[in-house]
Amino acid sequence: ELQLVESGGGLVQPGGSLRLSCAASGFTFNTYAMNWVRQAPGKGLEWVSRISGNGGKTYYADSVKGRFTISRDNSKNTLFLQMNSLRAEDTALYSCAKAGYPWELTMDVWGQGTAVTVSS
Amino acid sequence: IQLTQSPSSLSASVGDRVIISCRASQGINNHLAWYQLKPGKVPTLLIYGASTLQSGVPSRFSGSGSGTDFTLTISSLQPEDFATYYCQQLNNYPSFGQGTKLE
Repeated sequence: ELQLVESGGGLVQPGGSLRLSCAASGFTFNTYAMNWVRQAPGKGLEWVSRISGNGGKTYYADSVKGRFTISRDNSKNTLFLQMNSLRAEDTALYSCAKAGYPWELTMDVWGQGTAVTVSS
Repeated sequence: IQLTQSPSSLSASVGDRVIISCRASQGINNHLAWYQLKPGKVPTLLIYGASTLQSGVPSRFSGSGSGTDFTLTISSLQPEDFATYYCQQLNNYPSFGQGTKLE
């Protein structure tokens, strides 16, 4: 069974940092790009970042560029999101999502998400 | 690229035919997907390439459009279809529409 399980969320003060993880199972992790998507309370879906299967290419939404870093450890089937300089508007449920096939920019498997709250 | 969905919310009944629209701020060919999101559940990919049904998705769902205007149609609404639907444009910096809540 394809599965994605996020962890690492929590309460952090403005300006603080968090590192999210996403453990993947049930598919050949290193052959698929991976994404982070977030949903703020009462809001819609917002794509955050994507990384290629081998980790060589990364993409970021303008809202997080320069503050967030996506990475992956293919030996451990794990995706990461390092979040620095956090702001109140980063408060959201963060989900990882596997790239779809044959359209890589779709997302066909999603995790349940981990909640991030940025507040003093 | 901005995506604008209409309507933002929609009241319907079981058996109804429902159409949700998604307009892109610039032409995106057929690079569009549709997702379904239910409270407490993970999003489900319904359609990609504007009109190709994802494996396992019921045939009552269909998509059409190209360029800037797209639609998602549910031919006969079922109880399990009450959810929020999002369109997503498929380029290197994907974005979602604001969602359409079907209730």
